[in-house]
Amino acid sequence: AQTVTQSQPEMSVQEAETVTLSCTYDTSENNYYLFWYKQPPSRQMILVIRQEAYKQQNATENRFSVNFQKAAKSFSLKISDSQLGDTAMYFCAFMRPNFGNEKLTFGTGTRLTIIP
Amino acid sequence: GAVVSQHPSRVICKSGTSVKIECRSLDFQATTMFWYRQFPKKSLMLMATSNEGSKATYEQGVEKDKFLINHASLTLSTLTVTSAHPEDSSFYICSAYHAGRSTDTQYFGPGTRLTVL
Repeated sequence: AQTVTQSQPEMSVQEAETVTLSCTYDTSENNYYLFWYKQPPSRQMILVIRQEAYKQQNATENRFSVNFQKAAKSFSLKISDSQLGDTAMYFCAFMRPNFGNEKLTFGTGTRLTIIP
Repeated sequence: GAVVSQHPSRVICKSGTSVKIECRSLDFQATTMFWYRQFPKKSLMLMATSNEGSKATYEQGVEKDKFLINHASLTLSTLTVTSAHPEDSSFYICSAYHAGRSTDTQYFGPGTRLTVL
């Protein structure tokens, strides 16, 4: 079974600064997907970024980027130029291909607060 | 693209009544949808996997007779909480699996807050 660990329950950073959220996972699979989801106070789960394990290049989406280290089973999220709207719970998630029954395994989340 | 709606967003009901929650994928077809429960300040707990045209697969410890799931079309799955009790009060979230090259992602509905009095 896969496990996802987020070791930082809470973090805070000043607006406009850069912050990195950590995530490690454990799996014996070689082909899989990793995600970061954001859950703001509205509780809507929003996809932030997606990484395919077979791709060596780190995924980026505007101010969001990941540092994917497959051998170390590490998948950290970097938020640059942080904004007040980035305040949210952030969940790291693992998914392996399973013919349409692709379940997500979530970490316990990191509560990020952006300070004005 | 990849929008998932969920209705209702909030429901209050009396103990013993049944409540139905709908989950729709608005701009894509989803052969698989998932239902989660989230307790305050906790991560999402998978309740069941819903496949179009077949019976749902429930996670261990989830009562299938209490949480009825129907996935009648490629864009709609429903969760019915039968004979609801206060301990069923929670935040329920659905997701729809968007399969395809460079997508293969679950997209989430906005959630339903259920309060059982």
